[in-house]
Amino acid sequence: DAGVIQSPRHEVTEMGQEVTLRCKPISGHDYLFWYRQTMMRGLELLIYFNNNVPIDDSGMPEDRFSAKMPNASFSTLKIQPSEPRDSAVYFCASSRRGGPVNNEQFFGPGTRLTVL
Amino acid sequence: TQLLEQSPQFLSIQEGENLTVYCNSSSVFSSLQWYRQEPGEGPVLLVTVVTGGEVKKLKRLTFQFGDARKDSSLHITAAQPGDTGLYLCAGDHGSGNTGKLIFGQGTTLQVKP
Repeated sequence: DAGVIQSPRHEVTEMGQEVTLRCKPISGHDYLFWYRQTMMRGLELLIYFNNNVPIDDSGMPEDRFSAKMPNASFSTLKIQPSEPRDSAVYFCASSRRGGPVNNEQFFGPGTRLTVL
Repeated sequence: TQLLEQSPQFLSIQEGENLTVYCNSSSVFSSLQWYRQEPGEGPVLLVTVVTGGEVKKLKRLTFQFGDARKDSSLHITAAQPGDTGLYLCAGDHGSGNTGKLIFGQGTTLQVKP
């Protein structure tokens, strides 16, 4: 079975440019999470969805960040305009309520973003 | 703010040594998960502990959930270079079953041959 798919795996952009990160969760999972990971701050939850509806976006740093989930199989995280401090690894994860391990999160391979 | 504090943050040991990683909180969790993350990859679940006082073993790894379900520990016996990675604990409050996990900051383990 395919796991969580993220694209691109690496993104290098210049300050001020728009960046769009993409995620395809595991089929049948009803939760989707976006995380950011840096050495200084560790793994931070940015936003999560349940059945395509945003539940908690309190971790989104500022208005430059936005996330959408138009359907159960696709989500995007957009940064506009990007800044050097946004450089990090961004993970998407999905989970299924009532699965064999309740709330086990399955992570994608991440997108390494570098903003110059 | 509900926090999970992990200690130590960094650990560098020789192959064959034993080690323990701690995960502590002032909050009660309905369950607690341990993940391992290798460089260039996302975290992968190792184990979930649910009952206060529960002990689970995964080969050379022993996981324990505190009696009050506020803390957990991971003990590795005879560490090997393949155990190198970032270890994350994550708590599930369970109430309302929001699906959200609270992650600790992680413990970076390096096992030298």
